[in-house]
Amino acid sequence: NAGVTQTPKFRVLKTGQSMTLLCAQDMNHEYMYWYRQDPGMGLRLIHYSVGEGTTAKGEVPDGYNVSRLKKQNFLLGLESAAPSQTSVYFCASSYSFLAGSAKGYTFGSGTRLTVV
Amino acid sequence: GDSVTQMEGPVTLSEEAFLTINCTYTATGYPSLFWYVQYPGEGLQLLLKATKADDKGSNKGFEATYRKETTSFHLEKGSVQVSDSAVYFCALSLTGRRALTFGSGTRLQVQP
Repeated sequence: NAGVTQTPKFRVLKTGQSMTLLCAQDMNHEYMYWYRQDPGMGLRLIHYSVGEGTTAKGEVPDGYNVSRLKKQNFLLGLESAAPSQTSVYFCASSYSFLAGSAKGYTFGSGTRLTVV
Repeated sequence: GDSVTQMEGPVTLSEEAFLTINCTYTATGYPSLFWYVQYPGEGLQLLLKATKADDKGSNKGFEATYRKETTSFHLEKGSVQVSDSAVYFCALSLTGRRALTFGSGTRLQVQP
């Protein structure tokens, strides 16, 4: 089925290790987003991209880097993982410039990351 | 800043019961309002939306009315089913903003 695919689904890291989360969408969406979901805090925007080759900071960007080398892929990197980055990470994409578009966002199923 | 507040869960109901999940917001302008649903093991899906005051969004038997005077967007369903068990997120967006602001989510558990 068409949609947003995130890999991996689960990962355990040691403090200081690095890793990359991959998000791939096959809907030809221009806009892509990375959110983190923490208990009691909802989803918070980490970084987003408005098109191939572009990235921008969201609400909680510190400790993360992103790249959008291809339109269909949006990578989230952790350079030196910290326990505070233990979370569930969601990628999303959208067709429209406006978040309020009729079709909304399409989300991936999430990556559960634990940093010990 | 902009924010969304939802009632804490879990909300546990019996099948065919009436559902209300409260959502209130604070925003500097006039936002669009959304409800997203997350079924176990899946990503979030758009459930319904409303873009201006007094609009009612509806889908799959769920409804929510945009109340500007009370800054609320409560989710309701007249008769829940076991298959409605999920986490429900209220969210807002402001004109020109590219990203949604989410509430903390409310888990609904429906028992047969």
